[in-house]
Amino acid sequence: AQSVTQLGSHVSVSEGALVLLRCNYSSSVPPYLFWYVQYPNQGLQLLLKYTSAATLVKGINGFEAEFKKSETSFHLTKPSAHMSDAAEYFCAVSVPNSGYSTLTFGKGTMLLVSP
Amino acid sequence: ETGVTQTPRHLVMGMTNKKSLKCEQHLGHNAMYWYKQSAKKPLELMFVYSLEERVENNSVPSRFSPECPNSSHLFLHLHTLQPEDSALYLCASSQARGGTEAFFGQGTRLTVV
Repeated sequence: AQSVTQLGSHVSVSEGALVLLRCNYSSSVPPYLFWYVQYPNQGLQLLLKYTSAATLVKGINGFEAEFKKSETSFHLTKPSAHMSDAAEYFCAVSVPNSGYSTLTFGKGTMLLVSP
Repeated sequence: ETGVTQTPRHLVMGMTNKKSLKCEQHLGHNAMYWYKQSAKKPLELMFVYSLEERVENNSVPSRFSPECPNSSHLFLHLHTLQPEDSALYLCASSQARGGTEAFFGQGTRLTVV
């Protein structure tokens, strides 16, 4: 079984500041990891994914995440926050040895960006 | 139309009504999913169809009944719901292989009164 823990239900940053959203996972097999973003009244949009290739993964909108096996972490970062980044972010884990996408999501982190 | 489309976007229904949610994907995928998103709770996987067969049913009450007539369409039939079933219902699709990402629709906001 796999699980995801996202530290902090809300994170507040100023525009232009570093964004850091934390994600720790638990998995009995080498996992695949994902970050999704959800804007109000919208579905989830894939930001980036780790599938056992490079440990530093670059995604859309300037976001990136680093897979650290020793820390079982997959934290999401962006060097400079924009107002348009305000949304809810979900980390998810999946196992590659099933016949479909078995995503397990964290509870989400709401990113608030102030001017 | 591209991506994953859900209709309706909003639905208000009484506890004795019967309604259906519809999902259509235009991505050539062969696995489809229903998720429930409630306030302050993680996304809950409800049902999975892979290659048009139901492969997962996560202890969902029988008042929710899925249907997958083909690889592009997915329905969720609703009957005698409870107020606690009010939530955002998200449809997703993916390739039928492990570890792949899922693509989500915009969701149906359901309110049970």
